[in-house]
Amino acid sequence: NAGVMQNPRHLVRRRGQEARLRCSPVKGHSHVYWYRQLPEEGLKFMVYLQKENIIDESGMPKERFSAEFPKEGPSILRIQQVVRGDSAAYFCASSPLDRSNYGYTFGSGTRLTVV
Amino acid sequence: KNEVEQSPQNLTAQEGEFITINCSYSVGISALHWLQQHPGGGIVSLFMLSSGKKKHGRLIATINIQEKHSSLHITASHPRDSAVYICAVAHMDSNYQLIWGAGTKLIIKP
Repeated sequence: NAGVMQNPRHLVRRRGQEARLRCSPVKGHSHVYWYRQLPEEGLKFMVYLQKENIIDESGMPKERFSAEFPKEGPSILRIQQVVRGDSAAYFCASSPLDRSNYGYTFGSGTRLTVV
Repeated sequence: KNEVEQSPQNLTAQEGEFITINCSYSVGISALHWLQQHPGGGIVSLFMLSSGKKKHGRLIATINIQEKHSSLHITASHPRDSAVYICAVAHMDSNYQLIWGAGTKLIIKP
């Protein structure tokens, strides 16, 4: 599969637990972007990462949320002490360096439900 | 006012009809994207435009940079085209951060 792989597809967590969302980019893509889609709303940018670097995390809440894209392995979006308001679909996209010509490839998303 | 506005919000049409979805934006952009999202599904990138027109199968996307407007057309629509169509723009100053429209929910009836 040459696309962006996100897992799990669905994740249920109780309030106060941790959620870990994984994103494996397209092979050869070195840039990863996370977006959040709240129910009945459009997508909102959260964070942009390159391998081992956070380039822009301006869209990510300052507390409880963190993201990484290690040298090896998938990008991880981590939400600590989840609350009901974190329930949303989280989408990951990847791109090569030259996104102006090649654009983005999106994953199928992880739907997080906090109960 | 949102930086990216789509119209209509909802569109129901009969199979075979010609469909037009519009997108207006208020910021300077480096590119405009049209994407498709099925209920509970992932997001598929349809087009990336910075000028002119692109065609892929029954889908056509146009952009007018001066008017800050883009349209997505579907010819000979089919029930499998039913989905949410989203316009997103890459801001000129931050071309990786997409600004998303709210989407147009399209239903094609057989």
